[in-house]
Amino acid sequence: DVKVTQSSRYLVKRTGEKVFLECVQDMDHENMFWYRQDPGLGLRLIYFSYDVKMKEKGDIPEGYSVSREKKERFSLILESASTNQTSMYLCASTRGKGASGQFFGPGTRLTVL
Amino acid sequence: SQQGEEDPQALSIQEGENATMNCSYKTSINNLQWYRQNSGRGLVHLILIRSNEREKHSGRLRVTLDTSKKSSSLLITASRAADTASYFCATDEGSGGSNYKLTFGKGTLLTVNP
Repeated sequence: DVKVTQSSRYLVKRTGEKVFLECVQDMDHENMFWYRQDPGLGLRLIYFSYDVKMKEKGDIPEGYSVSREKKERFSLILESASTNQTSMYLCASTRGKGASGQFFGPGTRLTVL
Repeated sequence: SQQGEEDPQALSIQEGENATMNCSYKTSINNLQWYRQNSGRGLVHLILIRSNEREKHSGRLRVTLDTSKKSSSLLITASRAADTASYFCATDEGSGGSNYKLTFGKGTLLTVNP
């Protein structure tokens, strides 16, 4: 059964902390994505990666960075967490060739106090 | 930037009825996709329709695409309580390369009452 897993379902951090959200997929997908989901705003793309060590900014990259050292793993980093980064974070992956649906992880609900 | 906009924002029906959700978008697309999200969970891909297709079926799902009106509809027939979820449309605008970046709408919350 194909899977996208995220390191935590729930996370509580303090303002100013550095936060790492990990995402792993076992489908050998080239493309990986990080979204945040907020009520009334839907899903917004933060960053995506189409190959190892490659990354591109999405619609709302400010305050975030990413790392993709291995094909199966895509990490989202909050350099200095702020309360406005409290959100549901969703990771997704898709293959590199041919249009197909994205596979999503279960999400990480991050609360920044 | 928001591309797809679903309508209605919320829909409540009885089990056995059909549910129709609509999606409008603004720019040309390569394909349009529909996803389902159960409360507090990740999204699940339901169906993809390419820009040169007009209708597609998958089980109890029927999707139509009208590129001249820049709109799509998702029909769920004979709904069940388990269909209760949020439904999102997402557009692949095909800006080039193989990134397959999607832009999601804000979703329709469907409630199916037993």
